[in-house]
Amino acid sequence: DAGVIQSPRHEVTEMGQEVTLRCKPISGHNSLFWYRQTMMRGLELLIYFNNNVPIDDSGMPEDRFSAKMPNASFSTLKIQPSEPRDSAVYFCASSSGSFSYEQYFGPGTRLTVT
Amino acid sequence: DAKTTQPPSMDCAEGRAANLPCNHSTISGNEYVYWYRQIHSQGPQYIIHGLKNNETNEMASLIITEDRKSSTLILPHATLRDTAVYYCIVRVNYGQNFVFGPGTRLSVLP
Repeated sequence: DAGVIQSPRHEVTEMGQEVTLRCKPISGHNSLFWYRQTMMRGLELLIYFNNNVPIDDSGMPEDRFSAKMPNASFSTLKIQPSEPRDSAVYFCASSSGSFSYEQYFGPGTRLTVT
Repeated sequence: DAKTTQPPSMDCAEGRAANLPCNHSTISGNEYVYWYRQIHSQGPQYIIHGLKNNETNEMASLIITEDRKSSTLILPHATLRDTAVYYCIVRVNYGQNFVFGPGTRLSVLP
């Protein structure tokens, strides 16, 4: 299995631009999680899906952030418009079951907003 | 509010056992102890979890005190590749998400 796949691995954009991060979970996993990691705040859960349905988006910082999961093999996290404070590493993780003991993390997308 | 307390950093000599402590004095009866680690520039990786009995797998051993207020993750023969941030997390097995604290930065030295 290829594991969780994220793209792009690195993204540099200017303030005000739209950014879309992509994630392909492990085949057969029915739960998907988006995390953000910064030096100041550590690793934070933004949103998670179960069977393609958003269950808890309380970690999404504001309306500029949105996430979708149109099917079991693909999810996006969109930031529009982006701001410098959105600069972080964004991780996608998947698991078999919402509260499985083991979440499998992707390699992350390092986002820099200038 | 943090449920666990870990030292910010530790060093360990290569080939020796690394013992990483975690304090979770307010743990509830139905909460498990989980350990994840994050190697530089990678996503976190699951290591082990337990409720009250000691656990061992191919990666590590988890020792939980009888009163469950603290635990120790043991890497029996640390290698340079074990250099990472180690997170101790407490949560019920179902019904909660993982909340990652700052963890312990373990440096394995040659």
